[in-house]
Amino acid sequence: GAGVSQSPSNKVTEKGKDVELRCDPISGHTALYWYRQSLGQGLEFLIYFQGNSAPDKSGLPSDRFSAERTGGSVSTLTIQRTQQEDSAVYLCASSRGRTDTGELFFGEGSRLTVL
Amino acid sequence: AQTVTQSQPEMSVQEAETVTLSCTYDTSESDYYLFWYKQPPSRQMILVIRQEAYKQQNATENRFSVNFQKAAKSFSLKISDSQLGDAAMYFCAYNSGGSNYKLTFGKGTLLTVNP
Repeated sequence: GAGVSQSPSNKVTEKGKDVELRCDPISGHTALYWYRQSLGQGLEFLIYFQGNSAPDKSGLPSDRFSAERTGGSVSTLTIQRTQQEDSAVYLCASSRGRTDTGELFFGEGSRLTVL
Repeated sequence: AQTVTQSQPEMSVQEAETVTLSCTYDTSESDYYLFWYKQPPSRQMILVIRQEAYKQQNATENRFSVNFQKAAKSFSLKISDSQLGDAAMYFCAYNSGGSNYKLTFGKGTLLTVNP
């Protein structure tokens, strides 16, 4: 596609429910990132996928969070048993590879609200 | 661990005037990359400008320029001839390059442009 596409744009859920957030990166981009942006905070790294390598999951805040990337393209971030502190904007980004050029291309994010 | 600090949560500027956004960072690396990203209300992060630490010349992109002070670990963004479309959240970010693929972000500065 022309850009990074994320869905849903907004999601309201009840505490304890599971949610799935989807990211469709730019075609041909091998690297995919998930970041979390909480109110008044910067962007917090969650997880990184690069090609067929094992993902870097070091930023996932708890075992309720997981992500997968199928076929080296679309990625799904899953949050199980959501808590109110999970409320945030979840941003997905993709790039051609290493980030030393800084060329991360971001989607518009999925705003999650946990009631 | 690297940290990025933006000491100005909010800034305002009159249209056509110049404004400078501050950023400091902490690192023990000698070679690295610094970036400014813009996040308008649409939430999509856009790369504004980047600077390689080994380059002494300050980066410039049209009305955007940086003042990179390596010894002071300072990386400020100057926006000249401010336009209403410049109103956004601005994030400073750091990457150590090499095999490191994570960007470390500051908490952002909200820029308002007054007509």
